[in-house]
Amino acid sequence: EDQVTQSPEALRLQEGESSSLNCSYTVSGLRGLFWYRQDPGKGPEFLFTLYSAGEEKEKERLKATLTKKESFLHITAPKPEDSATYLCAVQANTGNQFYFGTGTSLTVIP
Amino acid sequence: EAGVTQFPSHSVIEKGQTVTLRCDPISGHDNLYWYRRVMGKEIKFLLHFVKESKQDESGMPNNRFLAERTGGTYSTLKVQPAELEDSGVYFCASSQDYKGGKLFFGSGTQLSVL
Repeated sequence: EDQVTQSPEALRLQEGESSSLNCSYTVSGLRGLFWYRQDPGKGPEFLFTLYSAGEEKEKERLKATLTKKESFLHITAPKPEDSATYLCAVQANTGNQFYFGTGTSLTVIP
Repeated sequence: EAGVTQFPSHSVIEKGQTVTLRCDPISGHDNLYWYRRVMGKEIKFLLHFVKESKQDESGMPNNRFLAERTGGTYSTLKVQPAELEDSGVYFCASSQDYKGGKLFFGSGTQLSVL
């Protein structure tokens, strides 16, 4: 069964304190792994797509990496505006639906 | 460019009543998805339209849920009759690519069934 597990559930960081979020997945053939950011009262907003093990993507203070079993979202020197819930989702190559994790709620304290 | 629009943003109804949610996708996006997040759980797939056709409705909980997409444009999701366990946030998303590609989400409809 296709499944996504994210850890930790919640993370509090001081401004400037770098850390990583984890997304472990099992899928019957990976078409893509997606990272989204969700702010309160809003829908998820796309950040990255990763397609194969070893791939990396960067955007400002965020860097996403992918292995055959997991993905990491590295946050370097975070700022308070990075506070949000970060969601990981996978899409199997056998269909078009996306399987989401429950997310990591990140709080960055000034 | 306008994003994905959902209406209403909030709906509070009593058990047994009917509610209709609406989604207007980004213009030109043939793929439209409905997802739902129940409190404390992950966002779960409900169904996928390609233009006006239902491509995959394997996530629809039961026959109290009916989704339509008129002329391949906007979509509605009707719940009739609503039950307590239908409470949650219903998200609509659209995309250009049939075989994946990023989803553009609306802000969701918060449905509370009392």
